Amino acid sequence: SQQGEEDPQALSIQEGENATMNCSYKTSINNLQWYRQNSGRGLVHLILIRSNEREKHSGRLRVTLDTSKKSSSLLITASRAADTASYFCATEISSGSARQLTFGSGTQLTVLP
Amino acid sequence: KAGVTQTPRYLIKTRGQQVTLSCSPISGHRSVSWYQQTPGQGLQFLFEYFSETQRNKGNFPGRFSGRQFSNSRSEMNVSTLELGDSALYLCASSPRAGAFTDTQYFGPGTRLTVL
Repeated sequence: SQQGEEDPQALSIQEGENATMNCSYKTSINNLQWYRQNSGRGLVHLILIRSNEREKHSGRLRVTLDTSKKSSSLLITASRAADTASYFCATEISSGSARQLTFGSGTQLTVLP
Repeated sequence: KAGVTQTPRYLIKTRGQQVTLSCSPISGHRSVSWYQQTPGQGLQFLFEYFSETQRNKGNFPGRFSGRQFSNSRSEMNVSTLELGDSALYLCASSPRAGAFTDTQYFGPGTRLTVL
């Protein structure tokens, strides 16, 4: 089963509006990352937030992390049509000396012009 | 710098066959990770290689294997293909081993269809 579950599964907004996506996970993490994927292509890394951080910004992106609730949110402000893509959260977890990056189910964002 | 390249981009095989996929990381990157993406299971971590050694492994059967060469290029092999192996296989490279705090750079993927 997947570590992360994202909410909503699909989101449709108008250009200029803000988009918020949520990610919940099950086990303790080292860090949490957000990725974007355009139509079945490779993933693009957006932002990483460490387990001891609560909020991080990068351009129009704002990520929050609440480790007590095991959840994260990604906010995209002033959305553009080019932001249309699937967005995935990924958590790095450790099992002994092994590390693994586990992805959520993704949110399909559609930004309408 | 050139990005991560994967070959072939598309592949059609039949059940029972085996397949080898190739990934060339960004120059200077020594870690290569492989992922499987399917509509039902989403993105799942297969394994990570660094310095020709498998460093981390996901929960996949032994039919899935890989290797890394001295130039950091990596290959992934799937033997005795099953219909459920149809997926987009992505590889990602990063400078260091097991350090997912490094940004991972993904290739465009290989779309495998098993008939």
